[in-house]
Amino acid sequence: KQEVTQIPAALSVPEGENLVLNCSFTDSAIYNLQWFRQDPGKGLTSLLLIQSSQREQTSGRLNASLDKSSGRSTLYIAASQPGDSATYLCAVDNTDKLIFGTGTRLQVFP
Amino acid sequence: DARVTQTPRHKVTEMGQEVTMRCQPILGHNTVFWYRQTMMQGLELLAYFRNRAPLDDSGMPKDRFSAEMPDATLATLKIQPSEPRDSAVYFCASGLVNSRNTIYFGEGSWLTVV
Repeated sequence: KQEVTQIPAALSVPEGENLVLNCSFTDSAIYNLQWFRQDPGKGLTSLLLIQSSQREQTSGRLNASLDKSSGRSTLYIAASQPGDSATYLCAVDNTDKLIFGTGTRLQVFP
Repeated sequence: DARVTQTPRHKVTEMGQEVTMRCQPILGHNTVFWYRQTMMQGLELLAYFRNRAPLDDSGMPKDRFSAEMPDATLATLKIQPSEPRDSAVYFCASGLVNSRNTIYFGEGSWLTVV
């Protein structure tokens, strides 16, 4: 059974810092891995999707890497801003089902 | 702007009552998911459909929960009878999973059972 773990569970940083959020999964037979953002009281918004054949994806200040063999992914946020405050969840696609981690709650203060 | 629409957004009900949550997936998407989110368990997959056929509902308590897709524009999740432990946010999501694209989430139905 696939299990997805995210570290840290919560993070509070001053504006401008570069951040790394971690995601690990137990079954490396995945189709893809995605990073989502969830704002309080809202649904999830997809940030980045990495196919199993890819090593990384970039969008603006966000960069996500995937090491399938070791069961790890990292989300790198450059020059963090207060607007980045949200919960970040990673999810792995096993047989067309997305299995989610428990998330990292990020607060960026001015 | 295409989006997944869920109703109701908020529901407070008494224990034992029937609750029905509805979801309109994005037009053209072939896969619909129901997730439940709680502080303790995080996001759990309850059930999902491909081309309206149920593929997996192993995450759902069968004695009280049921999920259906009467047509391509409507998915429903029913709880009967509801219990306080069912209090959670229920999310519907849709996607074109065969193409390995992302899935799109609705804003959730916030359920409180008292």
